[in-house]
Amino acid sequence: EAGVTQFPSHSVIEKGQTVTLRCDPISGHDNLYWYRRVMGKEIKFLLHFVKESKQDESGMPNNRFLAERTGGTYSTLKVQPAELEDSGVYFCASSPPGLAGVGWQYFGPGTRLTVT
Amino acid sequence: QKEVEQDPGPLSVPEGAIVSLNCTYSNSAFQYFMWYRQYSRKGPELLMYTYSSGNKEDGRFTAQVDKSSKYISLFIRDSQPSDSATYLCAMRSFLQGAQKLVFGQGTRLTINP
Repeated sequence: EAGVTQFPSHSVIEKGQTVTLRCDPISGHDNLYWYRRVMGKEIKFLLHFVKESKQDESGMPNNRFLAERTGGTYSTLKVQPAELEDSGVYFCASSPPGLAGVGWQYFGPGTRLTVT
Repeated sequence: QKEVEQDPGPLSVPEGAIVSLNCTYSNSAFQYFMWYRQYSRKGPELLMYTYSSGNKEDGRFTAQVDKSSKYISLFIRDSQPSDSATYLCAMRSFLQGAQKLVFGQGTRLTINP
């Protein structure tokens, strides 16, 4: 069974540009989460999808971030326009219906975003 | 104040030593406790999972939760160089709508041959 995959693995963009990150969860996992780790800080929650619906987006930093999950399969996270403080590693995680309620989440390898 | 505190280390021990990693937390609603292991340039991998208070053992790894003290620990026995990684504690509230994990900063561990 394939794990959570993320694309690209690394992205370098200039301040003001737009970047779109993609996450493919494990097949059958209705729950999809986005997290972010900025340099020297802990991994922080951004938002949670149940199928195509946003269940919790309390961690989204501002309206420059837009997450979508059309059809309840893969998800994209767009940053527009990117700022220097958006640099970090963006992780995606997924969880099946039976384990989501108890906190069991499987993480992808992350996308390293560098804004210059 | 952070909800979860974890000493970032780095921690360096000789092969075969017992390693103790710890986290403290402030939110009484945390009910699910996890330890993740993260190798360099990889995503976090779930290592141990504990519900509420108590101990859980899996091979060389033991996870302990003391909810009265708001303190969790991970012990690694007979440590191996392959255990060298960053160890992250993570917690989740019992509230149904709050599925987000709250992480500690992670402790970087090196096991020296």
